[in-house]
Amino acid sequence: AQSVAQPEDQVNVAEGNPLTVKCTYSVSGNPYLFWYVQYPNRGLQFLLKYITGDNLVKGSYGFEAEFNKSQTSFHLKKPSALVSDSALYFCAVRAYNTDKLIFGTGTRLQVFP
Amino acid sequence: DADVTQTPRNRITKTGKRIMLECSQTKGHDRMYWYRQDPGLGLRLIYYSFDVKDINKGEISDGYSVSRQAQAKFSLSLESAIPNQTALYFCATRRNTGELFFGEGSRLTVL
Repeated sequence: AQSVAQPEDQVNVAEGNPLTVKCTYSVSGNPYLFWYVQYPNRGLQFLLKYITGDNLVKGSYGFEAEFNKSQTSFHLKKPSALVSDSALYFCAVRAYNTDKLIFGTGTRLQVFP
Repeated sequence: DADVTQTPRNRITKTGKRIMLECSQTKGHDRMYWYRQDPGLGLRLIYYSFDVKDINKGEISDGYSVSRQAQAKFSLSLESAIPNQTALYFCATRRNTGELFFGEGSRLTVL
């Protein structure tokens, strides 16, 4: 069975500092991994994905994520946080041979001025 | 105009009532999904559809039904709503490269 864990309910970071939002996954076979962001009263927006290839994936708004197969992790990172990055972030996984995208419980990112 | 449109955006109803949430898309995607979002639980998959003839149950399909009337339309029904179906519901479409595109959500409250 597929599953995703986001161990932190909330991450707090000062503006200008680097940020990391953690995600680990469990899936049979090769994973397809995704990050989405949700701003208040909005639907989710796609940030980035890992399908194959380079373990470091770059996405929208300066975000990137690193796929680590041995640790089954796909942490979201940004070198310098902005107040406008404050939102709810979801990690999601899909096994290569299914159409079900399973989401984690979400991590609220708060960036303080 | 939004690519994925959900109606209604907000609905308050009573226990036992039948409710339909509608979703339409202009992205031309074949795959469509219904998720519900609950605080602390993230998003959970209710139903998904590959095309008008292919409907599949997700993680939490009990108490829900769906209809894929056309490639562009995918509706979610609650035949007899109950309070624990109070949630934020999202429709999404999927591009062939894997990304989902979400509607703005339908907030349902069952009293």
